[in-house]
Amino acid sequence: AQKVTQAQTEISVVEKEDVTLDCVYETRDTTYYLFWYKQPPSGELVFLIRRNSFDEQNEISGRYSWNFQKSTSSFNFTITASQVVDSAVYFCALSGVNTDKLIFGTGTRLQVFP
Amino acid sequence: EAGVVQSPRYKIIEKKQPVAFWCNPISGHNTLYWYLQNLGQGPELLIRYENEEAVDDSQLPKDRFSAERLKGVDSTLKIQPAELGDSAVYLCASSLRTGDGYTFGSGTRLTVV
Repeated sequence: AQKVTQAQTEISVVEKEDVTLDCVYETRDTTYYLFWYKQPPSGELVFLIRRNSFDEQNEISGRYSWNFQKSTSSFNFTITASQVVDSAVYFCALSGVNTDKLIFGTGTRLQVFP
Repeated sequence: EAGVVQSPRYKIIEKKQPVAFWCNPISGHNTLYWYLQNLGQGPELLIRYENEEAVDDSQLPKDRFSAERLKGVDSTLKIQPAELGDSAVYLCASSLRTGDGYTFGSGTRLTVV
């Protein structure tokens, strides 16, 4: 069975702090995709990143970075120098290569205070 | 390019009434999904379409839920009759092909009273 665990329900930081959102997954597939989505108060899920299970290179995009470690089944997301606009619920998700069905975690609510 | 468009944005109905949600995917996207998001939870897949064909509807409660995607473009999700527990956000998404990242719409927030 596939499962995604986001143990942090809510995180509060002050602007300019760095913050890491944890994601641990379970799957029996040897090939799979991992995703992060952002859900601002408007409700729309905004795609942030997709990572193939064969690619364990860390990725950086501006203030965002992702650390994929297959050995610990983790795909953590770090926001550097957080801003108020980063306040949202962040979801980690998993899909098999063939099923295309996204399995979401329960999300982490990030609040960034000025 | 317009994103995935859903309507209505909000809907309040009394229990036992029918309700329908509409989704217009991104032009050219053959794959369409309906997800259900309960409060404080991640979305869960209800149904996936490849063009007009429902290829995965195993999570759709077929006693009261139905969906269609005529002509492989727009899709409608219906609940009849609605129950209090159906109060949730119904999200539509589309992708160009299997394995691509989805694009989600803003969702329809349903409240059943």
